[in-house]
Amino acid sequence: AQKITQTQPGMFVQEKEAVTLDCTYDTSDPSYGLFWYKQPSSGEMIFLIYQGSYDQQNATEGRYSLNFQKARKSANLVISASQLGDSAMYFCAMREGYGNNRLAFGKGNQVVVIP
Amino acid sequence: DTEVTQTPKHLVMGMTNKKSLKCEQHMGHRAMYWYKQKAKKPPELMFVYSYEKLSINESVPSRFSPECPNSSLLNLHLHALQPEDSALYLCASSQEWDRLYNEQFFGPGTRLTVL
Repeated sequence: AQKITQTQPGMFVQEKEAVTLDCTYDTSDPSYGLFWYKQPSSGEMIFLIYQGSYDQQNATEGRYSLNFQKARKSANLVISASQLGDSAMYFCAMREGYGNNRLAFGKGNQVVVIP
Repeated sequence: DTEVTQTPKHLVMGMTNKKSLKCEQHMGHRAMYWYKQKAKKPPELMFVYSYEKLSINESVPSRFSPECPNSSLLNLHLHALQPEDSALYLCASSQEWDRLYNEQFFGPGTRLTVL
């Protein structure tokens, strides 16, 4: 069963607008962590933001924020004030607390920011 | 220094060649990883080293041979590869293998083409 689901097709976003990238996850483990990574065409995976399952507040990191809805098992990434450099593939990933230490990645969302 | 370096950036090799990919980090991380990534797909875990010992081998064919000479270095030795092995090979590191908050820092990758 897929643990991370990212189903949005490629997105075009106007510069300076906000964009929301959807991510839903599946786990029965009460202890887990959720990560978002950005991968530009150059190839490097860049860590953006982390949300722990027990965190009370939604994570924020500069222009990135995570809309964490635990009951819905969703962890959407919000990028505010898009910049041209935000054009990239974005991956949501999860790590469960016990037993399986692997990062499970979603299939990714392609974002293109247009001027 | 929060950087993972990888060499070479690009590699073209024939099916009978032997080559090696190198990865280095100086963040004092004790876990290092090799991932394989095909175009427009998420990374797939290949190997995990924890404290210089191989912890995970995701049933990778023996034509890929990892080596961890010390805590800062990770190599991937390639021999008798197939064209379908052409991909982006990403190295990553993290503080520990078994922590829930286990942000992985990725290198820029090596783009491998097997002719």
